[in-house]
Amino acid sequence: DTEVTQTPKHLVMGMTNKKSLKCEQHMGHRAMYWYKQKAKKPPELMFVYSYEKLSINESVPSRFSPECPNSSLLNLHLHALQPEDSALYLCASRPEGTSGAWETQYFGPGTRLLVL
Amino acid sequence: AQSVTQPDIHITVSEGASLELRCNYSYGATPYLFWYVQSPGQGLQLLLKYFSGDTLVQGIKGFEAEFKRSQSSFNLRKPSVHWSDAAEYFCAVGDKAAGNKLTFGGGTRVLVKP
Repeated sequence: DTEVTQTPKHLVMGMTNKKSLKCEQHMGHRAMYWYKQKAKKPPELMFVYSYEKLSINESVPSRFSPECPNSSLLNLHLHALQPEDSALYLCASRPEGTSGAWETQYFGPGTRLLVL
Repeated sequence: AQSVTQPDIHITVSEGASLELRCNYSYGATPYLFWYVQSPGQGLQLLLKYFSGDTLVQGIKGFEAEFKRSQSSFNLRKPSVHWSDAAEYFCAVGDKAAGNKLTFGGGTRVLVKP
């Protein structure tokens, strides 16, 4: 199973709402990522978790709050978003290799978010 | 800081014709290089990757890429394009020291004419 799943596929929310995006993988990967992709732009890294600990935060506004409750699950909690936060949010995971070699990131299909 | 440039925003190619997508990178050390493909509304699928060794890399779906250090390039090629190859293609460079962070180029949209 080389699949990363993301729910929901689509989400519409108002600027005062609180919502969460969910990402799940059952490949035993210990590193998980959130990327944001605006229309007609490349993905941009937001957060990296390694062994359920936040290792990288790319200066993301606090209205985005990541959480990694276990090694298979990654959440992105959303609160007080702005219309400019509308984007495709991609999750990815990769193994944590012991050899020091690069390990491939596997991407989910994304959640398309619209903030009104 | 690393960066990736894809000079062509759009490319239109006839079905059955050859395809070449350009990618130039800037990175201080030996680069980890990737090509991903994204169909509309979908996530990213890895086509191929280069770490070291043979500079001509074979990938899935009949794609190949050639690493040229002297030109800081990693161009993607396919000898004969199929209509299903219409998609967005992203070149990326990886930074192992930064959590295997991927930095993507701006992407090239490929349109396939019948």
